[in-house]
Amino acid sequence: EVQLVESGGGLVQPGGSLRLSCVASGFTFRRYWMSWVRQAPGKGLEWVANINEDGSEKNYVDSVKGRFIISRDNAENSLYLQMNSLRAEDTAVYYCAEGRWERQDQWGQGTLVTVSS
Amino acid sequence: QSALTQPASVSGSPGQSITISCTGTSSDVGAYNYVCWYQQHPGKAPKLMIYDVSYRPSGVSNRFSGSKSGNTASLTISGLQAEDEADYYCSSYTSITHVIFGGGTKLTVL
Repeated sequence: EVQLVESGGGLVQPGGSLRLSCVASGFTFRRYWMSWVRQAPGKGLEWVANINEDGSEKNYVDSVKGRFIISRDNAENSLYLQMNSLRAEDTAVYYCAEGRWERQDQWGQGTLVTVSS
Repeated sequence: QSALTQPASVSGSPGQSITISCTGTSSDVGAYNYVCWYQQHPGKAPKLMIYDVSYRPSGVSNRFSGSKSGNTASLTISGLQAEDEADYYCSSYTSITHVIFGGGTKLTVL
């Protein structure tokens, strides 16, 4: 059974940083593109970033470029999202998902990030 | 780039069929056969229901079907069941921002 388990969310002040983690199991992690997708409270889905199988290609939505960094550790079956210079508008549930752009086949349960003073 | 356009809500009675539309542009829905549909129950993660316009992942009921005409994609749910009540989101690959989602449609089973 495929499982994606996110952690690392919480309350952070504007301008602060957080690092999200996602541990994968049940599939060969190193063979798949992975993404982060977020959902602001009561809002729709927004793709945030993705990373290719070996971590050599990374892509970001414009609103997080220069502030967020996606990375992965295939030896640990883990995906990360380093979030810096956080803003109120980054408040959302962040989902780890298996997939590139065309589709996200599997999703984690999400971790809530709240940016507030 | 604006989100794909979905109706805010649709409803139907058990056993009926409903269709949710997803309208984009010639840069996304109209240009690529990479339209997906996700189902999201309250407080839960999205679940992929349809990919590449009309394909169902393993395990998804054949009551769910997808189609596309021009810049508009559609999700049809036949034989509506109480468990289908959820939010539904479409997404499409786009040449501009790579992926774009719809605003979501709340399905109510009466």
